[in-house]
Amino acid sequence: AQKITQTQPGMFVQEKEAVTLDCTYDTSDQSYGLFWYKQPSSGEMIFLIYQGSYDEQNATEGRYSLNFQKARKSANLVISASQLGDSAMYFCAMRARNAGNMLTFGGGTRLMVKP
Amino acid sequence: DAGITQSPRHKVTETGTPVTLRCHQTENHRYMYWYRQDPGHGLRLIHYSYGVKDTDKGEVSDGYSVSRSKTEDFLLTLESATSSQTSVYFCAISESYPITGELFFGEGSRLTVL
Repeated sequence: AQKITQTQPGMFVQEKEAVTLDCTYDTSDQSYGLFWYKQPSSGEMIFLIYQGSYDEQNATEGRYSLNFQKARKSANLVISASQLGDSAMYFCAMRARNAGNMLTFGGGTRLMVKP
Repeated sequence: DAGITQSPRHKVTETGTPVTLRCHQTENHRYMYWYRQDPGHGLRLIHYSYGVKDTDKGEVSDGYSVSRSKTEDFLLTLESATSSQTSVYFCAISESYPITGELFFGEGSRLTVL
């Protein structure tokens, strides 16, 4: 079975500063993908970034980067230059080749950006 | 934006009544999913479908059934709703199976069971 753990229920960050949201995962599969989604207060789920288990470089998408440490089974999301609009719930998720076609989510981290 | 429509968006019902939530997609994606979202649990998979009439159980399937008679529609049914099924339900779709493929989500359906 695969499992995603997000240990920070809530976090504050000052506007324009960088913030790291933690995510650790557990799987026995060698081939898997890691995802981050954002859920603003309006409720929709927005895909942010993807990292494959065989990707040698950390994924980046604009202000988002994924700090992938395979040996530690961690996939932390880094948001640079935080903006007020970044205030939202953030979910880490994983999809493994031998776990069917299921995306498994962590419990989420609520990020609040202070002006 | 992916063309995914969930209906109804909000529903209040009483314990013991049947409820059906509908997910409709215009993307012709093969895979469709139903998740529920509860505080502290993130999103948990209820059922998913990998083609017309092909469905499988997810992590929290007890008390739910699904049907997919057409590529574009995936129905989630609560045969006899209970208060523990009060939740926000999300439908999602993906084009194919590579682990690189992200899921696209609908806007969610908020169900309250009194």
